[in-house]
Amino acid sequence: NAGVTQTPKFQVLKTGQSMTLQCAQDMNHNSMYWYRQDPGMGLRLIYYSASEGTTDKGEVPNGYNVSRLNKREFSLRLESAAPSQTSVYFCASTPIRGEKLFFGSGTQLSVL
Amino acid sequence: SQQGEEDPQALSIQEGENATMNCSYKTSINNLQWYRQNSGRGLVHLILIRSNEREKHSGRLRVTLDTSKKSSSLLITASRAADTASYFCATDLDSNYQLIWGAGTKLIIKP
Repeated sequence: NAGVTQTPKFQVLKTGQSMTLQCAQDMNHNSMYWYRQDPGMGLRLIYYSASEGTTDKGEVPNGYNVSRLNKREFSLRLESAAPSQTSVYFCASTPIRGEKLFFGSGTQLSVL
Repeated sequence: SQQGEEDPQALSIQEGENATMNCSYKTSINNLQWYRQNSGRGLVHLILIRSNEREKHSGRLRVTLDTSKKSSSLLITASRAADTASYFCATDLDSNYQLIWGAGTKLIIKP
């Protein structure tokens, strides 16, 4: 039972490079989320998808784009990475909005 | 912006003691959730308490909610070394799809 799977686990980018973080869940959940976590801070929502076919901005969307490819997959793209995007990124999903979240194990991203 | 604020920021206790951490929030909520994060790992859901509930239990965990004071507490009884982790509260608002997170309490259990 995989739950929420994120890839890659670690990534180092140079400023200006692009990359896509992948997330997939096998629990048939409707809602999916991308968060970033910086030292000493709680999670900040980047984008979310309330259901297949919809995406919305969260608290810190600048510099990111997302795609809800299907019900299982929700990807996060950095078009031109900046050092300020160095962070740990978490994908999460839930069957019903507002209920408990299931998290992936995270992607540690460093932008040099 | 962060709605939930945990207190204390860090807590170090002896194994076997009880650990209490608090969460305060600013606006009306549908529910409040507590999560645990072991170092370098993803978050794991512990307990969800709804706005019409005052107390919930799960094993060694007890959560209380006081909506008049806009605060919640998480009590871990008979702590174990494996409880060493960061604990976060998150509030579900009625107005949007976002959970609002606090900055967490770092709990260290000394053997």
